Amino acid sequence: AQTVTQSQPEMSVQEAETVTLSCTYDTSESDYYLFWYKQPPSRQMILVIRQEAYKQQNATENRFSVNFQKAAKSFSLKISDSQLGDAAMYFCAYPPSNFGNEKLTFGTGTRLTIIP
Amino acid sequence: SAVISQKPSRDICQRGTSLTIQCQVDSQVTMMFWYRQQPGQSLTLIATANQGSEATYESGFVIDKFPISRPNLTFSTLTVSNMSPEDSSIYLCSTMGAALAGYTFGSGTRLTVV
Repeated sequence: AQTVTQSQPEMSVQEAETVTLSCTYDTSESDYYLFWYKQPPSRQMILVIRQEAYKQQNATENRFSVNFQKAAKSFSLKISDSQLGDAAMYFCAYPPSNFGNEKLTFGTGTRLTIIP
Repeated sequence: SAVISQKPSRDICQRGTSLTIQCQVDSQVTMMFWYRQQPGQSLTLIATANQGSEATYESGFVIDKFPISRPNLTFSTLTVSNMSPEDSSIYLCSTMGAALAGYTFGSGTRLTVV
C-alpha cells in the first residue's frame, strides 16, 4: 500500500526566513507525481507545487521549491522568504500512478506558523 | 485546471438527519473523489465516483451511510445519512485536472452535527 509520511506535525519560522517541510513516501512505481498542497484556515486546498518523478530537476514555483530524492523516496518542500500568508496546514500527497483518475494519498500534514 | 463549486459551505444539523453536499465542475471530468477531513486531521478518501457506475467506497465507508450520485460528467452529490456527532467534519470533493496539472478541490463543507 502506498503511504505518505510527514514527520513534523508543527513547524514555525520567522517571517522572511526559510523553512523546510519533510515528506517521505513509499511506492513501487517508477513514474509518478508528487504534490504539496496548502490548506489555510479557509479550508480550501491549494496546489503549491508538483514534481514529476522522471524529471531529475527539482520543481520550483517562485518562493517554493522541492528537494526530490527519488532513491530515498523523499520529497521536501522549501519555503523561502516566508510570509504571513504562508501560515497554513501543508500536506504532501501522492497518486498511485501517473495515469490519472487515481485517488490521492495524503500525509498527516504539517501546521506551519509564521512568526512576525 | 477544473474549477469546482461546492455547497453548502457549512451547515449545522440535528443528529439523525441527512445532508446532501453538491459539487459542480466547470468542465467534464471522468472521476470525482469525496474526502472527509476530521478536525485537525488529514484527508481520508470516502469514495470515488465515476459517471454511469456505482461509486467505489474505501474501507470503513459504506453506501448506506454515504450515498453518492454522479448523474453526469460535471456534477456529483454526497449524502451524509443518519448523522451523529462523529460525522462532524469537513467534506471535500475533488477531481483531477488535465495532464495531471494537479487535483482540484471544492471549497469544502464544514458539517457540525448536534
